[in-house]
Amino acid sequence: DSGVTQTPKHLITATGQRVTLRCSPRSGDLSVYWYQQSLDQGLQFLIHYYNGEERAKGNILERFSAQQFPDLHSELNLSSLELGDSALYFCASSVSRSTDTQYFGPGTRLTVL
Amino acid sequence: AQTVTQSQPEMSVQEAETVTLSCTYDTSESNYYLFWYKQPPSRQMILVIRQEAYKQQNATENRFSVNFQKAAKSFSLKISDSQLGDTAMYFCASPLKGGNQFYFGTGTSLTVIP
Repeated sequence: DSGVTQTPKHLITATGQRVTLRCSPRSGDLSVYWYQQSLDQGLQFLIHYYNGEERAKGNILERFSAQQFPDLHSELNLSSLELGDSALYFCASSVSRSTDTQYFGPGTRLTVL
Repeated sequence: AQTVTQSQPEMSVQEAETVTLSCTYDTSESNYYLFWYKQPPSRQMILVIRQEAYKQQNATENRFSVNFQKAAKSFSLKISDSQLGDTAMYFCASPLKGGNQFYFGTGTSLTVIP
């Protein structure tokens, strides 16, 4: 158990819908990262938040957005969902900088039908 | 470009044998960190080992060790006494530029054969 929690574990929805994925970092960690992993693919970095502020954006679609709240939990919002958005979405946390070890949550498996 | 490359999409090893997974990277930074993560069939991402570039000594964690060649920008993972539970996808990763983005390789799928 990494100490990072993600909810829900599984999510099944239809095209065009909007969903919210939630992540709680390890106690004491200020940084949260979101990744997308499609079937048999590597990890694509989406976005990094540090202590409530956005620090870096990767290959994140405009239909996707994220935020980190004062209690440091983070949410990833996916809207106007398409079939291709079906993937495993990981949240990871680290103490502060990206040079610190990132600890991953169990992931949320999103299926868009 | 800041990249991490894994050139072996698939590998297999007999149980109890030793296997080495390769990783190369490209960075202009002088100080950085390198990581190996394991993703078993459960899809959980698990940290295997971490190497700090300014340290000469190669990192070791039980049966896992790295061969870090800074000049060659190479960071290979050696698994000794391979066990069935080592069957997984292995990813090499690094923030490279010391910034806020983590770069992952495309992964090596390792199968341990009984």
